[in-house]
Amino acid sequence: KAGVTQTPRYLIKTRGQQVTLSCSPISGHRSVSWYQQTPGQGLQFLFEYFSETQRNKGNFPGRFSGRQFSNSRSEMNVSTLELGDSALYLCASSLGQAKETQYFGPGTRLLVL
Amino acid sequence: DQQVKQNSPSLSVQEGRISILNCDYTNSMFDYFLWYKKYPAEGPTFLISISSIKDKNEDGRFTVFLNKSAKHLSLHIVPSQPGDSAVYFCAASPGNTDKLIFGTGTRLQVFP
Repeated sequence: KAGVTQTPRYLIKTRGQQVTLSCSPISGHRSVSWYQQTPGQGLQFLFEYFSETQRNKGNFPGRFSGRQFSNSRSEMNVSTLELGDSALYLCASSLGQAKETQYFGPGTRLLVL
Repeated sequence: DQQVKQNSPSLSVQEGRISILNCDYTNSMFDYFLWYKKYPAEGPTFLISISSIKDKNEDGRFTVFLNKSAKHLSLHIVPSQPGDSAVYFCAASPGNTDKLIFGTGTRLQVFP
């Protein structure tokens, strides 16, 4: 079974631009969660989608948004990029039942200049 | 406000000895706890979990202990191996959601 894939793997943007990251979950997984990893902050939860609906949301500004498609693939969008948005963005998929373990992709490393 | 804390950013242990990684949490609503391991350039991989109804869970060389009264959990690795060198994250989940709250991670280095 293929694992979670994320594209692109690396991205360089400038302040004020917007960016879209993509995540393809493991086949059969209906839940996709997004996390931001920065040095000293660990992994911070952005949001979770299940069956095309946002089910949980973290404490990030509205510039961060996401969506999920009918095939469970998910995209995350960040508008008006700031320098502090430079981070590793990780996507994780699970079957979607409570307390399921999540399987992470390799992440997209975003650098904002 | 960091609800899950890993106060030791790094730990160095000799091969064959025990590695003990610690994690503290503040939210009494957390009822499920997990440990993930992360190598550079890879996503975290699930290692072991424990429900709040238990105080210990064991899987091979890995054991997680939960002390609910102290809001503390620990991961024991015995014996430690060089391949265990990685960043370890503990995570907690509140009772009514699937959301995971992660700690900041502890970098474990196992030397020969």
